Amino acid sequence: SQQGEEDPQALSIQEGENATMNCSYKTSINNLQWYRQNSGRGLVHLILIRSNEREKHSGRLRVTLDTSKKSSSLLITASRAADTASYFCATDAWGGSEKLVFGKGTKLTVNP
Amino acid sequence: DTAVSQTPKYLVTQMGNDKSIKCEQNLGHDTMYWYKQDSKKFLKIMFSYNNKELIINETVPNRFSPKSPDKAHLNLHINSLELGDSAVYFCASSHPEASGGVRNEQFFGPGTRLTVL
Repeated sequence: SQQGEEDPQALSIQEGENATMNCSYKTSINNLQWYRQNSGRGLVHLILIRSNEREKHSGRLRVTLDTSKKSSSLLITASRAADTASYFCATDAWGGSEKLVFGKGTKLTVNP
Repeated sequence: DTAVSQTPKYLVTQMGNDKSIKCEQNLGHDTMYWYKQDSKKFLKIMFSYNNKELIINETVPNRFSPKSPDKAHLNLHINSLELGDSAVYFCASSHPEASGGVRNEQFFGPGTRLTVL
């Protein structure tokens, strides 16, 4: 069954606001990654958080990981219209083969 | 230069035809993947190759046959196309497994939108 589940499925905010997306998963992981997909384009890696890390920052992105709850969140601060995209979490299962299992994604719309 | 490239970008064909999608990466990665993204944006892995060897085959119908002539290329051939094969197909590549068993991010191509009529 699907490993990652993001919520909300869709999120619409105004420029300058913060956007928070959540991801839940089911099995033990090596790491959890967040990707972004602009409409009609490929996925772009944003940030990777390892299973022994709890929080990570990259520019306006902040990712948290709670392995006890099997959940992660992605926070985008001071959002811009250019942040409009779909965001996916992907998990790399511990002891598994080299594959990522993706969630269904959160479609973020940032209104100017 | 595009790190992971795919051709063609769009492919429209009739049911029953055979078609191929090509993928090349110039990142020096050992591992390459094919993913299928359906109309609901759900992305699912199909195959993975490491150094030209198949390591993941996610119960994909055997009408789909990946071919890796060298570690920089992973092509996907599809026989007897069906309506349900319509989707966007993404190629990706990644670094070899890092020390300590912790793997790294994947780099995706721009996708090939396949439409079967």
